[in-house]
Amino acid sequence: GESVGLHLPTLSVQEGDNSIINCAYSNSASDYFIWYKQESGKGPQFIIDIRSNMDKRQGQRVTVLLNKTVKHLSLQIAATQPGDSAVYFCAENSQNSGYALNFGKGTSLLVTP
Amino acid sequence: DGGITQSPKYLFRKEGQNVTLSCEQNLNHDAMYWYRQDPGQGLRLIYYSQIVNDFQKGDIAEGYSVSREKKESFPLTVTSAQKNPTAFYLCASSPVGGNEQFFGPGTRLTVL
Repeated sequence: GESVGLHLPTLSVQEGDNSIINCAYSNSASDYFIWYKQESGKGPQFIIDIRSNMDKRQGQRVTVLLNKTVKHLSLQIAATQPGDSAVYFCAENSQNSGYALNFGKGTSLLVTP
Repeated sequence: DGGITQSPKYLFRKEGQNVTLSCEQNLNHDAMYWYRQDPGQGLRLIYYSQIVNDFQKGDIAEGYSVSREKKESFPLTVTSAQKNPTAFYLCASSPVGGNEQFFGPGTRLTVL
């Protein structure tokens, strides 16, 4: 079936630096792309989403960029903090799948002091 | 407090036994979902329900069953037909068509 995947399984950054987590997708019919954060042993938490007809969306310290030409999605975290250490998943959904989420494998972000 | 709860947090069962995982939400969401997560992997959809008394199979429904008799509840039964049931199970809910799914804390099932 269609897939959502990530370029890098792990990312280590220093506290205060900016982080960029990448994701590739293959389903051109996706309506939305969503980023989730999952801390160890917990359920994922919604971070930000972007509609498929947008290129960029900003939140608090986070920015999501969507490049539909190359089917690429990225999450930028500004001034990364130790509390940002977690696994980050990109996901996509579409009305065709009842809005159930299709998740990528995840990138582990480690923030070092 | 509104939220979504799963119980128990840890569950141990012997091979060949059926086991039911609980998921309850008081967010008044119509849609509910069950995902399975294996170590170092993303979440895979087992079943989802967009309305009471109706549900659809996800990508890995074999060996699982669900019911949706009440809006607030969406229990998942892991049957003996599931070949590799040991995993972290996550339940979520959302308004129908909503992008933000709210996840429960998960149940870690270990089959001995």
